[in-house]
Amino acid sequence: GAGVSQSPSNKVTEKGKDVELRCDPISGHTALYWYRQRLGQGLEFLIYFQGNSAPDKSGLPSDRFSAERTGESVSTLTIQRTQQEDSAVYLCASSSDRGGNQPQHFGDGTRLSIL
Amino acid sequence: AQTVTQSQPEMSVQEAETVTLSCTYDTSENNYYLFWYKQPPSRQMILVIRQEAYKQQNATENRFSVNFQKAAKSFSLKISDSQLGDTAMYFCAFIKSLEEGIQGAQKLVFGQGTRLTINP
Repeated sequence: GAGVSQSPSNKVTEKGKDVELRCDPISGHTALYWYRQRLGQGLEFLIYFQGNSAPDKSGLPSDRFSAERTGESVSTLTIQRTQQEDSAVYLCASSSDRGGNQPQHFGDGTRLSIL
Repeated sequence: AQTVTQSQPEMSVQEAETVTLSCTYDTSENNYYLFWYKQPPSRQMILVIRQEAYKQQNATENRFSVNFQKAAKSFSLKISDSQLGDTAMYFCAFIKSLEEGIQGAQKLVFGQGTRLTINP
């Protein structure tokens, strides 16, 4: 498709389980971002990938969170040993530029609910 | 560090009215971009309008326009002739301009959002 694709759309899991969220960016976009949005809040930056450079992980809240990206394609965000405070919408965005010169295009997000 | 503040958690207007959403930000940077994003219940963040800090002219996109006051660090969004489809959360966001040779993410910094409801 033409836009950023995220899966699953919704995920419900029990506390303590691991979850994997997927993001398929717009073709040709070198920059990829993961954000977390808690209920009624703005977006919090989690991690950033740019081409083959080392990712910027400065926003990851704990070592239970990790992400990978193969080249300039799909990215996966993994949360291990989930906690109830991990419940949020996880949004992925991609851009053809890592600054503001080109805007970030967002997917529809994955709503994660931890029981 | 940059911060973005939206002081209006909720707003409600009648269809066809004009509404203005407020946003202020704090930064020591001189070159940056400001954005307004719309988030309907579908959750997708949709770019509404973008302003480059070095441009004095206010950005406009059809019924959407901004009032950018750089000295006051203010960036309000005006929606004219509001429509039912404008009902959504609106987020103001800031990003530093790209610096050559500087690694790392140019991260969007978001405000807390304003929930806008357009009533028929």
